[in-house]
Amino acid sequence: EVQLLQSGGGLVPPGGSLRLSCEASGFNFRTHAMTWVRQAPGKGLDWVSDISPSGASTGYADSVKGRFIISRDNSKNTLNLQMNSLRGEDAAVYYCAKHLTGWDVFDIWGRGTMVIVSS
Amino acid sequence: EIVLTQSPGTLSLSPGERATLSCRASQSVTSSFLAWYQQRPGQTPRLLIYGSSTRATGIPDRFSGSGSGTDFTLTISRLEPEDFGVYYCQQYSNLPRTFGQGTRVEI
Repeated sequence: EVQLLQSGGGLVPPGGSLRLSCEASGFNFRTHAMTWVRQAPGKGLDWVSDISPSGASTGYADSVKGRFIISRDNSKNTLNLQMNSLRGEDAAVYYCAKHLTGWDVFDIWGRGTMVIVSS
Repeated sequence: EIVLTQSPGTLSLSPGERATLSCRASQSVTSSFLAWYQQRPGQTPRLLIYGSSTRATGIPDRFSGSGSGTDFTLTISRLEPEDFGVYYCQQYSNLPRTFGQGTRVEI
């Protein structure tokens, strides 16, 4: 079964840092691009960042560029999101998602992990 | 950045009726790189359509997508009770990838 198991959310003060992880199983992780999408409570979907299968190419939303870093470890089937200088507007459920082969659309989603930014 | 505007905001329909959801882009979406997702309450998003009109694996044929350029449509031919939820369009022709604000379908 294809699965994405997320971890690492929680409460962090403004200006703080948090690292999210997403462990993949059931598919060939190293051949798929991966993405992070977030959803603030009661709001819509907001694309955050994605990374190519090798990790050589990354993309970021303007709102997180320079503060968030996406990375992957293909030997451990793990996707990461390092979030620095967190702001109140970063509070959301963060989903990792797998790209459909050859397409930049997201066919498998993790269950999400909550990030709360508050003092 | 390509801004996607979905309409209507909310659609209230009965089972068996046809639903037509619109997604308009602020600039042309190259090669119809437009997808649709369904999100039921408390659930993760589910990919329905990509490439403007290709159904994802396991998606019933009552869901269909069409359009090109700046205007795209998701049609649900005969609503089933399980079709309630919020529907989002997403473009992937340009970075940053963007989503529409969503259309809520109430059964």
